[in-house]
Amino acid sequence: KAGVTQTPRYLIKTRGQQVTLSCSPISGHRSVSWYQQTPGQGLQFLFEYFSETQRNKGNFPGRFSGRQFSNSRSEMNVSTLELGDSALYLCASSRGAGPSYNEQFFGPGTRLTVL
Amino acid sequence: GENVEQHPSTLSVQEGDSAVIKCTYSDSASNYFPWYKQELGKGPQLIIDIRSNVGEKKDQRIAVTLNKTAKHFSLHITETQPEDSAVYFCAARWYSSASKIIFGSGTRLSIRP
Repeated sequence: KAGVTQTPRYLIKTRGQQVTLSCSPISGHRSVSWYQQTPGQGLQFLFEYFSETQRNKGNFPGRFSGRQFSNSRSEMNVSTLELGDSALYLCASSRGAGPSYNEQFFGPGTRLTVL
Repeated sequence: GENVEQHPSTLSVQEGDSAVIKCTYSDSASNYFPWYKQELGKGPQLIIDIRSNVGEKKDQRIAVTLNKTAKHFSLHITETQPEDSAVYFCAARWYSSASKIIFGSGTRLSIRP
């Protein structure tokens, strides 16, 4: 069974630009969560989607947004990029939402560099 | 607010010895505690998890213990091997109308040959 895939793996942007990252969950998984990983802040939760609906959102500004499609694939968008947005963006999928579906499986991440 | 503290930040052990990583959490409503291993250039990999109704769980050389009263949980790796070298993260999750997961700051484990 294929794992979580994220595209692109590496991305270089300049300040003020916007970026869209893509995540394909494990087949049959319907929940997708996004995380930002930086050396200073560690792993921080961005948002979680289930059945095309955002279930929860972390403490990030409105420049960070996401969506989920009917095939469970998800995208996240960051607008008006800032230098501090440079990070590894990780996507994780799980079979469903709720206490019975705790296990999350992470993708390899997208390394975003903002110049 | 919700917080997970993880110690130590770095750990170096001799190959064959045991390694212990400890975490404490702030919200007593937490009910799920996973541990992840992250190797260079890869995403975190779930290695073991424990739910709040269990005190200990073991999987070959890896074990996790949970003390709900003290709100702390630990990862134990026995008979360490070079391939155990990685960054390990603990996390705590609780389910409410707004599901959240909070990660610890990570422990860089190095295994000395």
